Amino acid sequence: GAVVSQHPSRVICKSGTSVKIECRSLDFQATTMFWYRQFPKQSLMLMATSNEGSKATYEQGVEKDKFLINHASLTLSTLTVTSAHPEDSSFYICSCYREPYGYTFGSGTRLTVV
Amino acid sequence: GESVGLHLPTLSVQEGDNSIINCAYSNSASDYFIWYKQESGKGPQFIIDIRSNMDKRQGQRVTVLLNKTVKHLSLQIAATQPGDSAVYFCAEIPNQAGTALIFGKGTTLSVSS
Repeated sequence: GAVVSQHPSRVICKSGTSVKIECRSLDFQATTMFWYRQFPKQSLMLMATSNEGSKATYEQGVEKDKFLINHASLTLSTLTVTSAHPEDSSFYICSCYREPYGYTFGSGTRLTVV
Repeated sequence: GESVGLHLPTLSVQEGDNSIINCAYSNSASDYFIWYKQESGKGPQFIIDIRSNMDKRQGQRVTVLLNKTVKHLSLQIAATQPGDSAVYFCAEIPNQAGTALIFGKGTTLSVSS
C-alpha cells in the first residue's frame, strides 16, 4: 500500500528560528501534495496545495513567505516555518495524492516554539 | 468557503454498542466523501469512502450512509470496541479528484468497557 513518511515527528525550536518538515511518498510518486495544520481539539485546516515543479497554492490567510513549500520531486515536499513564533506551535500534517491510492497522510509533526 | 460540519463534538458509548457519527456537508456539488479516524498525535487514517452516486457502503464493522437530499453523511460502527476511541472526521472533495480534502470539525468517540 501507499506509505507517506513525515519527518520529524516532533520538534522544539526557539522563537525566531526556522524549522523544516519533510514529507515523502515512499512507494509511489504523488501527483499532488497537501499541507494541513491542526490546532488542539480542532480539525485539519488546509494550508496549501503543492505540485511538483510549480509554486504552491496557498489558502487564504496563510502567509506564503512564512510557510515556505518546496516540492522538488514527485516524492518529496518540504514545509519550512520561517521565523517561528509560539503561535505557530501546532500539528502539521502532509497528504499525498495519487490514483489508485487516493489520499495518504503522513503521521504528522508536532511543532513547539518556545 | 465551503466547509463540512458535524452535529456532535463528543460521543460516549459502551463497548459492544453501535456508534453513529454524523456529518453535515454544505457543498451539494461534492462528489466524494471519506471518513477518517485520528488517534492522538497521529495522522488521519482512512476508514471508508463513498461517492455521490451511492447512498450506502459497507466495510468491516463500518457503514457509511449518504443522504444527498439533506446533505448528510453518517458513519456507523458496529460492536464498538475500546480501540475505536479516537476523533472521527468526515471529509469532502468539493472539486474533482485530486484536489484538496475539506475536513469537518470532528467527533470524539469515547468507548468505555
